[in-house]
Amino acid sequence: GDSVTQMEGPVTLSEEAFLTINCTYTATGYPSLFWYVQYPGEGLQLLLKATKADDKGSNKGFEATYRKETTSFHLEKGSVQVSDSAVYFCALFRGSTLGRLYFGRGTQLTVWP
Amino acid sequence: SQTIHQWPATLVQPVGSPLSLECTVEGTSNPNLYWYRQAAGRGLQLLFYSVGIGQISSEVPQNLSASRPQDRQFILSSKKLLLSDSGFYLCAWSGQGKGYGYTFGSGTRLTVV
Repeated sequence: GDSVTQMEGPVTLSEEAFLTINCTYTATGYPSLFWYVQYPGEGLQLLLKATKADDKGSNKGFEATYRKETTSFHLEKGSVQVSDSAVYFCALFRGSTLGRLYFGRGTQLTVWP
Repeated sequence: SQTIHQWPATLVQPVGSPLSLECTVEGTSNPNLYWYRQAAGRGLQLLFYSVGIGQISSEVPQNLSASRPQDRQFILSSKKLLLSDSGFYLCAWSGQGKGYGYTFGSGTRLTVV
C-alpha cells in the first residue's frame, strides 16, 4: 500500500546551517507530494507541494524536488533560522473522489542561535 | 477564501465524561473532511473521514465516533472518555483532485484526567 518513510529525528542545527530532511515514498501511479510544518501547539500548515515528477516545490526558502526514479521528496533549506524550529511532515496524496493523505512520522527540527 | 474553524482549543475532561469537538469549513462546498489524532511525540493517526453529509468512514476501532450533520460541519464525539483518548485532535478538509492536499484546523488539545 501507499506509505511515506521519513528520516528519524530529532534534528538539531545551528542557525545558518544547511538542512536536509529525507523522505521516500511507496505508491502506485503518480501521487502528489507535500511537506507540512507544525509549529509548537499549532495545527499543520502546508509548506510546499509537487504534483508531478521533476516538479520542484518551494516556499520560505525551503525546496523539495519530486524524484520519481528514486521515489523521494527530500526537504532542503540552505540557511535555517531559529524560527524554522518545528515538526516537519512529508505526505503523499493520491485519489480523486477521496483524497487520502499518507503522512510520515514527522521530524522534529530544533535550530539554535 | 476557504477557512476552517475548530473548537475548543483546549479541553480538560474527566474519565467517563462525554466529548464533542466541532469543526466547520467556510468558503467551499462538498469538502472531504477528516479527523486526525496526534498523540504526544508521535505521528498523525487518521480517525475518520467523510465525503458527504451522513457519510462517515472509520479508520480504526475505538472509543470515538464522528458525524456530519451538515455539508461543512464535522463533529467528533465520545460517550465516555478514556485516559488513552488524550491527545491533539486535528480537523482537516480537502477538495477533490490530487493537487489539493489538506487544510488543517488549529487543533484541540484534549487532556483526559
